[in-house]
Amino acid sequence: EDKVVQSPLSLVVHEGDTVTLNCSYEVTNFRSLLWYKQEKKAPTFLFMLTSSGIEKKSGRLSSILDKKELFSILNITATQTGDSAIYLCAVRSGGGADGLTFGKGTHLIIQP
Amino acid sequence: DAGITQSPRYKITETGRQVTLMCHQTWSHSYMFWYRQDLGHGLRLIYYSAAADITDKGEVPDGYVVSRSKTENFPLTLESATRSQTSVYFCASSPGTSVYEQYFGPGTRLTVT
Repeated sequence: EDKVVQSPLSLVVHEGDTVTLNCSYEVTNFRSLLWYKQEKKAPTFLFMLTSSGIEKKSGRLSSILDKKELFSILNITATQTGDSAIYLCAVRSGGGADGLTFGKGTHLIIQP
Repeated sequence: DAGITQSPRYKITETGRQVTLMCHQTWSHSYMFWYRQDLGHGLRLIYYSAAADITDKGEVPDGYVVSRSKTENFPLTLESATRSQTSVYFCASSPGTSVYEQYFGPGTRLTVT
């Protein structure tokens, strides 16, 4: 059974801080890892990672994948209150259903 | 409007009733998915479809039925709703698998009393 574990489950920081969110996985025949942001509505896509060591970057957000150690991190620098959300990590594998296996998410709260 | 839409957005029903949640996408994506999101469980795949007339079970299919007679529509039916099916339901679509992200609809909040 595919498994995706995110940590921490919740995190409270002050505006301007840098945060690192973690995602580890155990899946059959890994294909890709995806990060989503969810703010009280549908998840919105952030990144998709398929290769180890290649950083994906979008503004203050960046992410990297380690396929040897089976984890990914999502970094957010100079956090803003608008970054408050649940961040979801999901993995697509080659075994079983074609859907994504999601972690439980990290609930990030940015205090002004 | 283009994109992926769900209806209704909110629904309250009684135990034992049949309920159908609708999902419609305008991108002609091959793949469509239904997930449910519950506290403590995150998002879990219920059913998915690779193309019209092709559907398959996900992680939690019991109590649900799907159909895909047209590429753009993927309705989810709860044949006899139970309280444990109270949840937020998300539909998603994707042009393919492996290297494609999934685009999510706005969700349907279903309460079974």
